[in-house]
Amino acid sequence: DAKTTQPPSMDCAEGRAANLPCNHSTISGNEYVYWYRQIHSQGPQYIIHGLKNNETNEMASLIITEDRKSSTLILPHATLRDTAVYYCIVRVAGSNYKLTFGKGTLLTVNP
Amino acid sequence: NAGVMQNPRHLVRRRGQEARLRCSPMKGHSHVYWYRQLPEEGLKFMVYLQKENIIDESGMPKERFSAEFPKEGPSILRIQQVVRGDSAAYFCASSSKRTGQGLSISFFGPGTRLTVL
Repeated sequence: DAKTTQPPSMDCAEGRAANLPCNHSTISGNEYVYWYRQIHSQGPQYIIHGLKNNETNEMASLIITEDRKSSTLILPHATLRDTAVYYCIVRVAGSNYKLTFGKGTLLTVNP
Repeated sequence: NAGVMQNPRHLVRRRGQEARLRCSPMKGHSHVYWYRQLPEEGLKFMVYLQKENIIDESGMPKERFSAEFPKEGPSILRIQQVVRGDSAAYFCASSSKRTGQGLSISFFGPGTRLTVL
């Protein structure tokens, strides 16, 4: 699975959009980008995933660059409850089910 | 539709005792994964099981740790003769069978926090 790079921490004002970047320059054609988050002391929570098209669900949007070497997770209206560590994970769909978690980005939403 | 369930949520053991952690996957899920999160560290994969089979145990310590997922009942992560270094949060995740594209989403339980005195 390709390696990912994320900033260690970010701040966001409540009600504003939070844009979390992720670099995955060695991603291969059959690897998906997944985002999970872990609110303090809780189990990781699945957010969204994508291959090459932009994706949106009720939680967030995922923007993947055309060359697929980077992506951005967007929380459109961040709330205090969105404070968490956000993990960007790249994984081949199919034979390898395990998720390799890096250090992630600690997003702090401020009032 | 209940999510992944883990029990106990908190477990305290003395050095040398055994710890048994249980995980009930989401309804319809036949794949179970165990992860460990040591204090102030990231999540690390331990083992991947399907019903009655261990598929990948590459992240399991070679000694004292074992896992099973029987035909009936929850998956069990067993730690024998616990030591202080086993103190951690243990998370279970489950997923369904692969889709046609081979894609599956893992959903995590709330974790079991093991403290070894």
